[in-house]
Amino acid sequence: NAGVTQTPKFQVLKTGQSMTLQCAQDMNHNSMYWYRQDPGMGLRLIYYSASEGTTDKGEVPNGYNVSRLNKREFSLRLESAAPSQTSVYFCASSEAGTGGGLTKNIQYFGAGTRLSVL
Amino acid sequence: GNSVTQMEGPVTLSEEAFLTINCTYTATGYPSLFWYVQYPGEGLQLLLKATKADDKGSNKGFEATYRKETTSFHLEKGSVQVSDSAVYFCALSDSGYSTLTFGKGTMLLVSP
Repeated sequence: NAGVTQTPKFQVLKTGQSMTLQCAQDMNHNSMYWYRQDPGMGLRLIYYSASEGTTDKGEVPNGYNVSRLNKREFSLRLESAAPSQTSVYFCASSEAGTGGGLTKNIQYFGAGTRLSVL
Repeated sequence: GNSVTQMEGPVTLSEEAFLTINCTYTATGYPSLFWYVQYPGEGLQLLLKATKADDKGSNKGFEATYRKETTSFHLEKGSVQVSDSAVYFCALSDSGYSTLTFGKGTMLLVSP
């Protein structure tokens, strides 16, 4: 059981380039999330999707777009990368849907994508 | 709104020392509480949870008790090991929401 799989694991971009981070889960979870992690800032939610076909902004959505392709897959796109987007990106999923659910909100994380924008 | 406050790190201990990492929260409802752990180079993984007041979550020798009167969920371990070196995140889940609120994380460094 793979859980949450993120690709790629590492990426180096030049300023202005675009790229898509891929995420897939095999746990039949309803909700999926994208976070970024920066030193001293903890985890910050970029976007999330509480069900197939819906997406919502998190704390730091500017400069990103997302697509919930189907129930399994949730991608994060950087249209024009900036050095401020250098970070480690994590995808997560949970059983919780639009109604939430105290223990259904347990999130399962991928191993992360380490992105450098030069 | 909801918030989670953790003690700042790093927390530096010698092997077999007692560990406490403080966590307090603010929530509008009656949340569930979690501790996640992140080992170097990895994603976060659930360490333990508690779903109601006075519940004690435990796993791998770690414990935390849900204290509603002090809005706290402090993480403790009686004897830490070098392999416990990691970043620990406190988090809460509030009813009706499909997101978690995380603290900023506390790094633990254990030396032999």
